[in-house]
Amino acid sequence: EVLLVESGGGLVQPGGSLRLSCAASGFAFNKYWMTWVRQAPGKGLEWVAHIHPDGSEKSFVDSVKGRFTISRDNSKSCLHLQMYSLRAEDTAKYYCAKGGISTPWVAMDVWGTGTTVIVSS
Amino acid sequence: QSVLTQPPSASGTPGQRVTISCSGSSSNIGDNTVAWYQQVPGTTPKLLIYRNNQRPSGVPDRFSGSKSGTSASLAISGLQSEDESDYYCAAWDDSLYGWVFGGGTKLTVL
Repeated sequence: EVLLVESGGGLVQPGGSLRLSCAASGFAFNKYWMTWVRQAPGKGLEWVAHIHPDGSEKSFVDSVKGRFTISRDNSKSCLHLQMYSLRAEDTAKYYCAKGGISTPWVAMDVWGTGTTVIVSS
Repeated sequence: QSVLTQPPSASGTPGQRVTISCSGSSSNIGDNTVAWYQQVPGTTPKLLIYRNNQRPSGVPDRFSGSKSGTSASLAISGLQSEDESDYYCAAWDDSLYGWVFGGGTKLTVL
């Protein structure tokens, strides 16, 4: 069974940092594009970032560029999202999702249960 | 403001057929395939349709997708109470080099 389990969320002050992780199992993690998607309370889904299977290519939504980094450890089947200079508008549930093998434009077919980030003083 | 435009709500009675629209542009729907996700509030999004009209295994054939130009739609036939959920369209955007989503449509089964 393909499983994605996120962790690392919590309450952080504006300007603070947080590192999210996503533990993957049940598939060949090192062959798939991986994506972070977030959902603010009561709002819709927003793509945040994605990363190539070997980590060589990364892309971010404009609102987080320069503040968030995405990385992966294929030896541990783990995906990370390092978040800096957090703002109130980053408050959301963050999901990791499994993409395709060859290209980033294959629909995300498996999603984790999410981890919640609250940015507040 | 979402890049893809969906109606905020839709409704139907059990057994009816309901469609949800999704409008985009040439850089997303016009040039790429569309996916649809179902999300019961408080739960994880579930892939319902990919590549415009393909269903993952386990998704009932009551759900179907289509695309024309820069618009797409999701149709649900034989509506059931368990279909009451939020539905999101998504597409790759060549200009943003990332995924864009619709704002979501809340489907109510009356």
